[in-house]
Amino acid sequence: KAGVTQTPRYLIKTRGQQVTLSCSPISGHRSVSWYQQTPGQGLQFLFEYFSETQRNKGNFPGRFSGRQFSNSRSEMNVSTLELGDSALYLCASSSPDTWIYEQYFGPGTRLTVT
Amino acid sequence: TQLLEQSPQFLSIQEGENLTVYCNSSSVFSSLQWYRQEPGEGPVLLVTVVTGGEVKKLKRLTFQFGDARKDSSLHITAAQPGDTGLYLCAGDTSGTYKYIFGTGTRLKVLA
Repeated sequence: KAGVTQTPRYLIKTRGQQVTLSCSPISGHRSVSWYQQTPGQGLQFLFEYFSETQRNKGNFPGRFSGRQFSNSRSEMNVSTLELGDSALYLCASSSPDTWIYEQYFGPGTRLTVT
Repeated sequence: TQLLEQSPQFLSIQEGENLTVYCNSSSVFSSLQWYRQEPGEGPVLLVTVVTGGEVKKLKRLTFQFGDARKDSSLHITAAQPGDTGLYLCAGDTSGTYKYIFGTGTRLKVLA
């Protein structure tokens, strides 16, 4: 089975721009979660989508948004980028068939805002 | 804000030594997971524990879930350079699939 893939792997943007990141989950997984990882704050939960619906949301401003498509692929968007948005963005997929929510992470997208 | 504290933050040891990493919270977890992350990659799930007092072994790694389900430990026996990485615990306190990650323990095993 192919793992979780994320594109692009690296991205450099300027303050004020917007960015869209993509995540393809493991085949058959319907849940996709997004996390932001920074040296200072660690791994922080952004949101989780299940069957195209946002099921959970973390404590991030409205500039961070996401969506999930019918094939379970997910995108997250960050508008009006700030320097502090520089981070590794990780997505994780999970199977609904197990009651234990085991997450499988992609390699991440490294976003640098200048 | 729920907080998962890990200790120590950093650990540098010689190959062959034993070590223990701790994950503590004031909240009760419905389940708790341990991950290892290597540079440039996403975290990889090592184990999930769900029952208070549960002990799970994965080769040289032993995971324990506290009786009250508020804390957990990871013990590595005879550490090897391949164990080097960032170890993260993650807990779900509400059963809503919203995992809170710990602050992380960065381990370096020297050959």
